[in-house]
Amino acid sequence: EAQVTQNPRYLITVTGKKLTVTCSQNMNHEYMSWYRQDPGLGLRQIYYSMNVEVTDKGDVPEGYKVSRKEKRNFPLILESPSPNQTSLYFCASSSRGLSEKLFFGSGTQLSVL
Amino acid sequence: GIQVEQSPPDLILQEGANSTLRCNFSDSVNNLQWFHQNPWGQLINLFYIPSGTKQNGRLSATTVATERYSLLYISSSQTTDSGVYFCAVGYNTDKLIFGTGTRLQVFP
Repeated sequence: EAQVTQNPRYLITVTGKKLTVTCSQNMNHEYMSWYRQDPGLGLRQIYYSMNVEVTDKGDVPEGYKVSRKEKRNFPLILESPSPNQTSLYFCASSSRGLSEKLFFGSGTQLSVL
Repeated sequence: GIQVEQSPPDLILQEGANSTLRCNFSDSVNNLQWFHQNPWGQLINLFYIPSGTKQNGRLSATTVATERYSLLYISSSQTTDSGVYFCAVGYNTDKLIFGTGTRLQVFP
């Protein structure tokens, strides 16, 4: 089944403790991206990747890192999480950038205490 | 940057009613997509529609790029249509900007 898989689904952590949210797609998509969703602010793009080893900042990249070493994986790294990074995070992919439909993972609810 | 506005912000319908959701954007865009976020939080792509009209069952969408708006039509609404509908526009090829959404509640 074609899908975008995020893990974990829920995560509670403490300020400053490094964490990684994984994202994997099995559709051989070139484009992958990360979004955060906050009440009243909607969905905002954090980082995106057009292909392996090609990443670029979205609108809210501060405090996040990404890497794209393999086509299928696009992990989101929070080196030193802070409470203002408490949010619902989504990974998404498409076959050719934004010229094709974007498919989303199920989301990761992150709470930073 | 580009602004994306959706209206109405909230919509309450009885099952069987029809509705029109609107998305206005402030500048030229490369593409436009509509999404449905169900009550469990999952985001489902409804349409990729940079211009023209598409239909998928009870849903259809029209984008008039020259006038900078898109419309999503829901006919014969069902309770499973409840959730939040987002439009998102792409500009500068790789970035996507989401609207703030229309929250739809359909009652039996």
